[in-house]
Amino acid sequence: NAGVTQTPKFQVLKTGQSMTLQCAQDMNHNSMYWYRQDPGMGLRLIYYSASEGTTDKGEVPNGYNVSRLNKREFSLRLESAAPSQTSVYFCASSEDPSLYTGELFFGEGSRLTVL
Amino acid sequence: AQKVTQAQTEISVVEKEDVTLDCVYETRDTTYYLFWYKQPPSGELVFLIRRNSFDEQNEISGRYSWNFQKSTSSFNFTITASQVVDSAVYFCALSENNAGNMLTFGGGTRLMVKP
Repeated sequence: NAGVTQTPKFQVLKTGQSMTLQCAQDMNHNSMYWYRQDPGMGLRLIYYSASEGTTDKGEVPNGYNVSRLNKREFSLRLESAAPSQTSVYFCASSEDPSLYTGELFFGEGSRLTVL
Repeated sequence: AQKVTQAQTEISVVEKEDVTLDCVYETRDTTYYLFWYKQPPSGELVFLIRRNSFDEQNEISGRYSWNFQKSTSSFNFTITASQVVDSAVYFCALSENNAGNMLTFGGGTRLMVKP
């Protein structure tokens, strides 16, 4: 039972490079999320997808783009990486928000360093 | 705007001690949900509990207990007879009624339980 799988787990980029973080869930969840975790700031929502075919901005969307490829997959792209994007990124999924449960299932995180 | 504050950034206790993690929240909604998540060293966040704003009953689950007080906007988490395996970062989170499963997290409290 894989749950939420993120790749890669670690990545080092130079300023200006681009990359995509991949996320897949096997729980048939409708909603998916991307958070970033920074020391002392908890987790902040970057983008979310309430259902397949929809995406919306969260609290800190600048510098990122997302794609909900299908129900299982939700990718996060950094077009031109900046040192301020050095962080640990978490993908999460949940059941349909209209059935509100509040329980998110998280991946193990992707540690990104931008030099 | 909603906000969650965890004033304790780090707590260190000796095994078998009781420890309380504080959480204070701000919201303008009358209907909202409060959560605690645990982040063990492996990285992924694990859901512990959900409380809605209309249920102020305290909850106990084994060695864990939660004290929700609307009068002080607090949702504190107590671990009784702590164990080394309780060492983790603990996050309190809040979601307003119309926010679906989108959570606002506190900055987290790192708990270290020493043998």
